[in-house]
Amino acid sequence: GQQLNQSPQSMFIQEGEDVSMNCTSSSIFNTWLWYKQDPGEGPVLLIALYKAGELTSNGRLTAQFGITRKDSFLNISASIPSDVGIYFCAGAGGGSNYKLTFGKGTLLTVNP
Amino acid sequence: SQTIHQWPATLVQPVGSPLSLECTVEGTSNPNLYWYRQAAGRGLQLLFYSVGIGQISSEVPQNLSASRPQDRQFILSSKKLLLSDSGFYLCAWSVVGGGGYTFGSGTRLTVV
Repeated sequence: GQQLNQSPQSMFIQEGEDVSMNCTSSSIFNTWLWYKQDPGEGPVLLIALYKAGELTSNGRLTAQFGITRKDSFLNISASIPSDVGIYFCAGAGGGSNYKLTFGKGTLLTVNP
Repeated sequence: SQTIHQWPATLVQPVGSPLSLECTVEGTSNPNLYWYRQAAGRGLQLLFYSVGIGQISSEVPQNLSASRPQDRQFILSSKKLLLSDSGFYLCAWSVVGGGGYTFGSGTRLTVV
């Protein structure tokens, strides 16, 4: 089956620093999504990407859909303590049987 | 607007007892529905998904079962819980064909 390699597994940064994480796949995806999960909560969608090469921002977050359709990255600028959580990438191949493949997550810790 | 409800939020059950977790979606029709388990606060493991009433696909062999008695209701069950069934269970829905998943707030299950 399809697999996503998400890196890094964890990050420890200082408040104000920029963060970058990425996902790669051996398969082509038609959709890339980035989620954030706060402790004890369900993941929440941050950014959705539907077109190869697409670059989308949501506040301090920027994500890109790789040209090859096999990768995506998420950047967070000027991190703040509330950015703490687990970030998941997810990809979908499309079709009516819509199943997402999730990465294993990046645990982000921000030190004030 | 669409909302997803999942309950209970936390549950402590003895080994060998039955389980029933319920998830309902409001504000949409014919959603795809999913049950995930998350262990140790990291990766999301897809347990079941459903594309319609009575249609259940199982992703991994296990001690759990799922049912979809109504269009917007998804139930996760077990006849006899095992210690290994402990974890954080998440329900999610999506529209047919794409758009990302929307997750519920999760159920923390502890089997003792």
